[in-house]
Amino acid sequence: QKEVEQDPGPLSVPEGAIVSLNCTYSNSAFQYFMWYRQYSRKGPELLMYTYSSGNKEDGRFTAQVDKSSKYISLFIRDSQPSDSATYLCAMSATSGTYKYIFGTGTRLKVLA
Amino acid sequence: GAGVSQSPSNKVTEKGKDVELRCDPISGHTALYWYRQSLGQGLEFLIYFQGNSAPDKSGLPSDRFSAERTGGSVSTLTIQRTQQEDSAVYLCASQFRGGTYNEQFFGPGTRLTVL
Repeated sequence: QKEVEQDPGPLSVPEGAIVSLNCTYSNSAFQYFMWYRQYSRKGPELLMYTYSSGNKEDGRFTAQVDKSSKYISLFIRDSQPSDSATYLCAMSATSGTYKYIFGTGTRLKVLA
Repeated sequence: GAGVSQSPSNKVTEKGKDVELRCDPISGHTALYWYRQSLGQGLEFLIYFQGNSAPDKSGLPSDRFSAERTGGSVSTLTIQRTQQEDSAVYLCASQFRGGTYNEQFFGPGTRLTVL
């Protein structure tokens, strides 16, 4: 079993839909949870990070962490065609830990 | 300012040849990472450099892989005697380490195809 599991998709939604992307993990030591967006033929770029449990909101994006269930989510409201990309979750045990464990990524397509 | 740059963007080589991939990190970033991204796989950690410390090479998949970082800046990942299973996108990231959370900034990657 992988430390971090992520549904690879692809996930196709109509423009304006609310998108939910998820990862599950097995290592209870993880404290930092990141979401990266990767456009085709580009490197990943950090969207959001969250420390420990709870929610964090940034514009149309909300990151949610449920440590009791070892489950994290990224919600995208009012999705746009420009949101079409691969979304990767990543986790680490502490800020001093340099090794991130990445999910495989979920490919999202928002249809105009 | 300039982000992380990698060269070449694409590399096609024949099985058995050696290849060198280059990474130019963001100026002032002390940490540098190499990752491999294969189809359907997450980012696989390869190697980590931090300042003048000995690199963490624990992710290198075989002794055909090596990396160096000269002068604490530019890094080169070398793959000797390439195999078809080495075909992947090789990503470099740099990071300024200090403070509570330190973002890794990724380059665009080098897409390696071994025929």
